[in-house]
Amino acid sequence: NAGVTQTPKFQVLKTGQSMTLQCAQDMNHEYMSWYRQDPGMGLRLIHYSVGAGITDQGEVPNGYNVSRSTTEDFPLRLLSAAPSQTSVYFCASSYLTSGRAAAANEQFFGPGTRLTVL
Amino acid sequence: AQTVTQSQPEMSVQEAETVTLSCTYDTSESDYYLFWYKQPPSRQMILVIRQEAYKQQNATENRFSVNFQKAAKSFSLKISDSQLGDAAMYFCAYWRPGTYKYIFGTGTRLKVLA
Repeated sequence: NAGVTQTPKFQVLKTGQSMTLQCAQDMNHEYMSWYRQDPGMGLRLIHYSVGAGITDQGEVPNGYNVSRSTTEDFPLRLLSAAPSQTSVYFCASSYLTSGRAAAANEQFFGPGTRLTVL
Repeated sequence: AQTVTQSQPEMSVQEAETVTLSCTYDTSESDYYLFWYKQPPSRQMILVIRQEAYKQQNATENRFSVNFQKAAKSFSLKISDSQLGDAAMYFCAYWRPGTYKYIFGTGTRLKVLA
């Protein structure tokens, strides 16, 4: 199992450029999510998905789009990059179980993408 | 809205000693889960321990244990017999049933001194 993979590892963009951060998992997890990590602010949830075709916003969704056409892939799109989007981005996935503890399972994280917007 | 606070940006511990990392949270819910995640220098986050709010017993995983004080809304992580490999950023996280959103604290960087 490769687990959760993210590409690229590093990226530099100019303001206004667009790009897609790729995330894939081979564990057949229903739940996938994107976080950004900034110094002094911890991890903040951008978007999440509970299955193919189902996505929803997290805490800081502005400027980002997601889609989930397959169980394995969950790409994050920056539509028009801004310096405020300079961050380290993590993708995570986990099983969903039935009942009240549906998403209380271990999240598996990718290695992160360090994005710099000039 | 729920919040998670880690008031110690950085902690140090001597190898083989014990250290406790603090986490407090604010919620009006009674049913929720709390987690500690470790982020080593490689950046790969891994789950350390999980606690269900309805369980009185504190969770333990080998050298890692928690002190869960529900009334005080406190969830501290104790690392016993600290090892050099424990050096990392530690994040406390909260999740409650009925949502799919995790809330993370700002993290505590732990240094282990040889």
